[in-house]
Amino acid sequence: AQSVTQPDIHITVSEGASLELRCNYSYGATPYLFWYVQSPGQGLQLLLKYFSGDTLVQGIKGFEAEFKRSQSSFNLRKPSVHWSDAAEYFCAVGAGTYKYIFGTGTRLKVLA
Amino acid sequence: DVKVTQSSRYLVKRTGEKVFLECVQDMDHENMFWYRQDPGLGLRLIYFSYDVKMKEKGDIPEGYSVSREKKERFSLILESASTNQTSMYLCASSRQGAGYEQYFGPGTRLTVT
Repeated sequence: AQSVTQPDIHITVSEGASLELRCNYSYGATPYLFWYVQSPGQGLQLLLKYFSGDTLVQGIKGFEAEFKRSQSSFNLRKPSVHWSDAAEYFCAVGAGTYKYIFGTGTRLKVLA
Repeated sequence: DVKVTQSSRYLVKRTGEKVFLECVQDMDHENMFWYRQDPGLGLRLIYFSYDVKMKEKGDIPEGYSVSREKKERFSLILESASTNQTSMYLCASSRQGAGYEQYFGPGTRLTVT
């Protein structure tokens, strides 16, 4: 079955620390992969996407993600977290022309 | 700047009322989607549309209907609102074809009392 797993429901990091949010997917074909961020009370904003090619993808706000086919993972990273990064993060797979499968999200808390 | 707008940010309705949620996109996108978002459940697809007057059921269509009379507008209708439809509703749009990202509206937080 097609699915996206974000194993960490909540993550807390100190401002300035590095961050890695995990995402694992189950999909039979080559996936299109996305990371979105949702600030409180807002819709989702695209951080970055992977279609093909270079497995390390750069996004907005200093985020990057690495596609590892052998591990079926697409983890999101940031070398130094800012307080404004506190939000909920969603990993998603584009599973066809109309179908997108979302993970259940990881809520990030940033300590000053 | 691309934009998806939703008619209301917050809405309070009574059980049994008919509720309309409207979504408008200005990107000339073919695809439009309605999701509901609940804590711990992520985003669940209610309906989507790939063209004017065309619609397809998503994962949780029961209790909902949709309408797409114009390309830029996609409406979600709760025929008879119930308390278990209290949720955050998100509209999104995307270009036609696999791999295109979705653009989301700010959401409507609906409370049914």
